[in-house]
Parts: sequence; structure tokens; C-alpha cells
Amino acid sequence: EVQLLDSGGGLVLPGGSLRLSCAASGFIFNNYDMSWVRQAPGKGLEWVSSITTSGSSTYYAASVKGRFTISRDNSKNALYLQMNSLRAEDTALYYCVKHWASWGQGTLVTVSS
Amino acid sequence: QSMLTQPPSASGTPGQRVTISCSGSSSNVGSHSVNWFQQLPGTAPKLLFYGNDKRASGVPDRFSGSKSGTSASLAISGLQSADEADYYCAAWDDSLNGHVFGPGTKVTVL
Repeated sequence: EVQLLDSGGGLVLPGGSLRLSCAASGFIFNNYDMSWVRQAPGKGLEWVSSITTSGSSTYYAASVKGRFTISRDNSKNALYLQMNSLRAEDTALYYCVKHWASWGQGTLVTVSS
Repeated sequence: QSMLTQPPSASGTPGQRVTISCSGSSSNVGSHSVNWFQQLPGTAPKLLFYGNDKRASGVPDRFSGSKSGTSASLAISGLQSADEADYYCAAWDDSLNGHVFGPGTKVTVL
């Protein structure tokens, strides 16, 4: 059974940093592109970032480019999202996604003073 | 403002057929496959269709997906109360060099 366990969310001050993690199991992790998708409270889905199987290519939404960095460790079956210079508008539930059939439970990031 | 357009809401009585449109452009729907997701209240999204019309595992055949040109559609026939959810389309966009989601359509069973 595919499992994606998102973690690392929390309350952070504007301008602060957080690192999200996603622990994957139940499938061959290095065979799949992975993504982060977020959902602000009461809003729709927003794609944030994607990474290819080897990690050689990464893609970002314009709203996070230059502030967020996606990475993966295939030896640990783990996906990461380093988030810097956080803003209030980054407040959302962040989902780790195995393209596109499996989603984590989400980890909540709240940016507020 | 999303690159993909969906109606904000759709509704029907039990047993009826409901169709949700997803309108894009040549840089997304027109040149890339469309995925559809269902999000039940308080839960993570679930993949319904990939590659425009390929039903994901476990999705009832009451659901169907299609694409023509720069528009895609999701149809639900034999509408059930369990189908009340938000539905999102998504596709890769060449101009953004990234994925885009539609704004979502809330389906209500009257």
C-alpha cells in the first residue's frame, strides 16, 4: 500500500523558514516524479513544485520561485520542501503527491505574527 | 486567476447526469493531457482521471472524462449523494513551465 507521510508544518513568523518532509513507502520511490501541492484555507488546489525521478530537474510555481527549494533523497525514500522568506499568503495545507494517484494527508503551514 | 476555467458550481438530483467543463488554451489543455481530481470535504484530493479519459483505479464507470481541443469535461451519471465534492482539472502549461489546477467546481446533490 502506498503511503505518504507529510510532516514539518507549523506556525512561523513572516520572513521565517520551514522544511517540509514526506516519507514515502509502498512503491519504488525513485521511479516516480513527485510534487508538492498546497491548499489555502477554504481555497482551491495550487501546484507548488515538482521534481523528476533523479532530482535532476525541478519546477516551481511563480509564486514560490526563488524562495522554495524541492529536493529528494532516493536512498531514504524522502521528499523535501525547503521554504524560506515565508509570507502570510503561503499559509496552507501542503500535500506531498506521487504523480498523481497518491496524496499525503497534508501538513499545515501557518505564517503569522 | 487560474489558466484553466471551471464553473464554480454544478448541481443535480439523484440519478441525473452532471457535466463539468475545464477550458484552457493551446499551452495547456490543447497540448497536454488533463487529470481530474475529486476532493470530498475534509479529505485529500483523489485522482479520478489521468490522460484525459483513463479512469483511475477504483473509480466507478458512472464517471467519464473527455477532451476536445482546448477543453475537457468530466461527466457524472447516475448522480449520488456520495458524489458531493469539489472537482478539479489540472494540466501542464508550457508558458508557465509548470502544472496548473482549475479553480474547482463544487457539485451539490439536491
